[in-house]
Amino acid sequence: NAGVTQTPKFQVLKTGQSMTLQCAQDMNHNSMYWYRQDPGMGLRLIYYSASEGTTDKGEVPNGYNVSRLNKREFSLRLESAAPSQTSVYFCASSELLDRGVGYTFGSGTRLTVV
Amino acid sequence: GNSVTQMEGPVTLSEEAFLTINCTYTATGYPSLFWYVQYPGEGLQLLLKATKADDKGSNKGFEATYRKETTSFHLEKGSVQVSDSAVYFCALSAIRGGSQGNLIFGKGTKLSVKP
Repeated sequence: NAGVTQTPKFQVLKTGQSMTLQCAQDMNHNSMYWYRQDPGMGLRLIYYSASEGTTDKGEVPNGYNVSRLNKREFSLRLESAAPSQTSVYFCASSELLDRGVGYTFGSGTRLTVV
Repeated sequence: GNSVTQMEGPVTLSEEAFLTINCTYTATGYPSLFWYVQYPGEGLQLLLKATKADDKGSNKGFEATYRKETTSFHLEKGSVQVSDSAVYFCALSAIRGGSQGNLIFGKGTKLSVKP
């Protein structure tokens, strides 16, 4: 099915370990996003990429880096994981950065840092 | 700045009850408004949207009307089913969202429907 694919679905890391969350979309969308979801906090934007070759910080970028590898793929890297990064991470994409078109979300990565 | 406030949950209803989830917003200009739904263990799915004042978005029996005068976009359904149990997010799309990005979410309202 067309959409946004995230891997892995679950991950447990030890404090200080690094990992990369992968995201790919097959809808030919220009813009891609990484969010984290925490209880009572809603969704908060970590980083976004308006188009291939560009990335920008969102509301909570500290401790993360991103790479827009090509139009399809947008990865999120944790260089040194901390317990505060325990969360559910969602990747999303949209045709354009705004214009009210709505976003398509992946099914999420549940990350636990111990 | 831009923000979305929605009613706190959880909301528990019996099957066939009427549902209202309140959502109000603050934004400059004329944002588009959305309701997303998240079923257990899944990502968010677009439920409905409205792009200008007085528009009504509808889908799967859910409705919401863009009310500019009250800056609201309340979600309603006349008769809920057990399968509607999920978390519902109100969101707005701002033209210049800054570090929050262009799609700004409320904190979500968890709905549980009992048979």
